[in-house]
Amino acid sequence: KNQVEQSPQSLIILEGKNCTLQCNYTVSPFSNLRWYKQDTGRGPVSLTIMTFSENTKSNGRYTATLDADTKQSSLHITASQLSDSASYICVVATNAGKSTFGDGTTLTVKP
Amino acid sequence: GAGVSQSPSNKVTEKGKDVELRCDPISGHTALYWYRQRLGQGLEFLIYFQGNSAPDKSGLPSDRFSAERTGESVSTLTIQRTQQEDSAVYLCASSLPWTSGGEETQYFGPGTRLLVL
Repeated sequence: KNQVEQSPQSLIILEGKNCTLQCNYTVSPFSNLRWYKQDTGRGPVSLTIMTFSENTKSNGRYTATLDADTKQSSLHITASQLSDSASYICVVATNAGKSTFGDGTTLTVKP
Repeated sequence: GAGVSQSPSNKVTEKGKDVELRCDPISGHTALYWYRQRLGQGLEFLIYFQGNSAPDKSGLPSDRFSAERTGESVSTLTIQRTQQEDSAVYLCASSLPWTSGGEETQYFGPGTRLLVL
């Protein structure tokens, strides 16, 4: 069964600190892994997309890593800002275009 | 039910026809979202309902798309005069109300796979 598990479920950090969110998956056959950021009351916005051959990708202060062997991904946020408070969703797709969604990690950045 | 349910699971229609997709959220979840996902693409936000507030329709791609929600329960997404470009998976998600701490999780339904011929 295709599954995407994210941890932690929620996280609270102080502004300026770094944090790392985890995503483990059992989706097969793997096509790509995406991290989304979802702000309050809005739809999710894509942060990074990684295919099998990519093991790291950055988007500003967001850096995603992918280990396709262990089927793990992480999203690292550096120098967090209040605007980083959001839910972060890991989504893994098969090459047939079927996506499996993680439940997301809710990040709260406090001043 | 235990989770968000959507129906039908698959729908094949002819170009120009109207379709109606249904979403049953988790009981007690006042927030409900519709997303579209084209093959190999990411999620596209369509519309968001939160309780009795006016829905956020900013993601609806055209006036052919509309959605309704009865109270805090069932929602229907209607696509009029379907086009081939509407072919996608339509995902519904529900969650507890947004709080100041933002500590809710969206629960997605299995989606409706729409194919417009």
